[in-house]
Order: sequence, then structure tokens, then C-alpha cells
Amino acid sequence: AQRVTQPEKLLSVFKGAPVELKCNYSYSGSPELFWYVQYSRQRLQLLLRHISRESIKGFTADLNKGETSFHLKKPFAQEEDSAMYYCALTGGGNKLTFGTGTQLKVEL
Amino acid sequence: DGGITQSPKYLFRKEGQNVTLSCEQNLNHDAMYWYRQDPGQGLRLIYYSQIVNDFQKGDIAEGYSVSREKKESFPLTVTSAQKNPTAFYLCASTTPGWDTEAFFGQGTRLTVV
Repeated sequence: AQRVTQPEKLLSVFKGAPVELKCNYSYSGSPELFWYVQYSRQRLQLLLRHISRESIKGFTADLNKGETSFHLKKPFAQEEDSAMYYCALTGGGNKLTFGTGTQLKVEL
Repeated sequence: DGGITQSPKYLFRKEGQNVTLSCEQNLNHDAMYWYRQDPGQGLRLIYYSQIVNDFQKGDIAEGYSVSREKKESFPLTVTSAQKNPTAFYLCASTTPGWDTEAFFGQGTRLTVV
């Protein structure tokens, strides 16, 4: 079975402060991990994928297989980062599983 | 204009009735998915299909049924057996390969009255 856990429903930070959205996963094989984001009144969309080792909009995420984590980080939060963030996992067979999501609120 | 189209946007159903939600994509994607989104519970997978004429149950398939007769279409039927059908339903399709990406529809809000 595959599972994604996001322990925080809401994360509130001040503009310019560092951000870390936590994600832990459970999967017996080698998973592919993703972060998706949903801005207000927009469709859910891909933010980044671990296999690309990319930085998108200043966000990065490192896969830690020992801790089975894929936390999303950004050194300085911006107001436009306020959104709902979902961590997702796909294992064998194309099954794409999402976590419960974390609402990020960046305050001025 | 490529993408995923869900219809209708809002749907009302009387208790005891089956209802079908439409999902169409013109992205030429093989894999398609249905999720249910409830407050505080994230996206829960109902059914998914990797290829035409094949589909698998997700984590909460009870009370739902699907078909995949065409690559472009993956309709979801919410049956009267679904105990709590009022929810927001999202359809998605994914690109193949290691750099896979999911594309989502705008969703259908189903309300049982």
C-alpha cells in the first residue's frame, strides 16, 4: 500500500520568513514524489517533481529515503505563495496518491 | 485548446438516484483518474485507468463505477449505494514516462438533495 502524510493542515508564516511544508510517505518500492499546488480559483497544478531536482518559484524538495520524507522548502516566503499544497506519490502501476494537503498562508 | 473538461460544474441529485459525471481529455493521455476532495481529507482516489478498456479501484471505490471505452473519456457514475456522495469531484490525466505530470479538470460539485 502507498500512503502520503502531510501533518499540518495550515501553516502560517510572515513574508520573508522561511517555509517548510512537511511530507512523509509510505511505499515499499522506489516511489516518484511530487508537489502540487492549488492557487485560489485555479486548477491543481504540478509545482515540482523530485526526479527533476528542480527549483520552481524558489521552492525545492529533497527526497530523503531514510526518513521517507519529501519536505517542500523555500527560504523567503512571498505573499503569492499563499495556496494549498499537496504532496503526491506514484509507485508501480501509475497509481497516483495524494496527501491531505497543507494550506500555506503568508502574512504581511 | 487542449486540456481536461469536466461537466457539469454543479450537479444536484435526489437521494436514491444514480448520476454520471463527465470527464473528457484531448491531451492523448493513456492514464486517467477520479478523485474526491473533501475538506480536511485531501484528494482521495476513487478509480483510475491506465489504458482503454481497463481500470482499477482506488482507495474509496465503494458506491462508484467507471468505464473507459474511449481514450478521451472516463465517466464516473455515483450510484445510490454511495452513502455520502455530496462532495467535489476531480478528474485528472497524466503524461507517460519518468517526468510524468498530472493535469486536472476544474471539478464537479455534486450535492444530494
